[in-house]
Amino acid sequence: GAGVSQTPSNKVTEKGKYVELRCDPISGHTALYWYRQSLGQGPEFLIYFQGTGAADDSGLPNDRFFAVRPEGSVSTLKIQRTERGDSAVYLCASSFWDSGEQFFGPGTRLTVL
Amino acid sequence: ILNVEQSPQSLHVQEGDSTNFTCSFPSSNFYALHWYRWETAKSPEALFVMTLNGDEKKKGRISATLNTKEGYSYLYIKGSQPEDSATYLCALDTNAGKSTFGDGTTLTVKP
Repeated sequence: GAGVSQTPSNKVTEKGKYVELRCDPISGHTALYWYRQSLGQGPEFLIYFQGTGAADDSGLPNDRFFAVRPEGSVSTLKIQRTERGDSAVYLCASSFWDSGEQFFGPGTRLTVL
Repeated sequence: ILNVEQSPQSLHVQEGDSTNFTCSFPSSNFYALHWYRWETAKSPEALFVMTLNGDEKKKGRISATLNTKEGYSYLYIKGSQPEDSATYLCALDTNAGKSTFGDGTTLTVKP
């Protein structure tokens, strides 16, 4: 079956612009996670959804970052007024339940010039 | 801030060698410990989810153990093959759904 998909695969933007990153989880997975990964480091937790609600958003670095999952399936990570430090690979994962086996998407590589 | 530490940072072995690496963490209060394999240009792939002290899991030539009392998990690879070359990540769930990752151990298996 289809795995987790993320679009776009690459995004280049200019400092100060707004970007949206999309994640399509595996059908039937109620839990959805966003991570950010910088070179040489492990993924850093950003936010976790259980259904439509953000169960834990403690990893969002500041109020420029926001994520939604309005129908409990597709999620969008939104970054306002991008900064060069936001450049990273943004990973999405989904699972049947929280703390269960997570299935990762291929990631979106964001570059802020 | 929870520190999940993985060692070594990188490892080079010959094909056929057996190897192991460590994930250490300070607390026994957690929901689950995950091991992932992340090959270059691919998505991280779940290997094991472990929850109980003394847990041992096995998948083919790869196995893992968990010791929550002393705060570590070992990942073992028996008879390494070039296709085992990847970064192996450990992650700890301290709250349901919130994973803290280590920085990984990068394994290179030379033919």
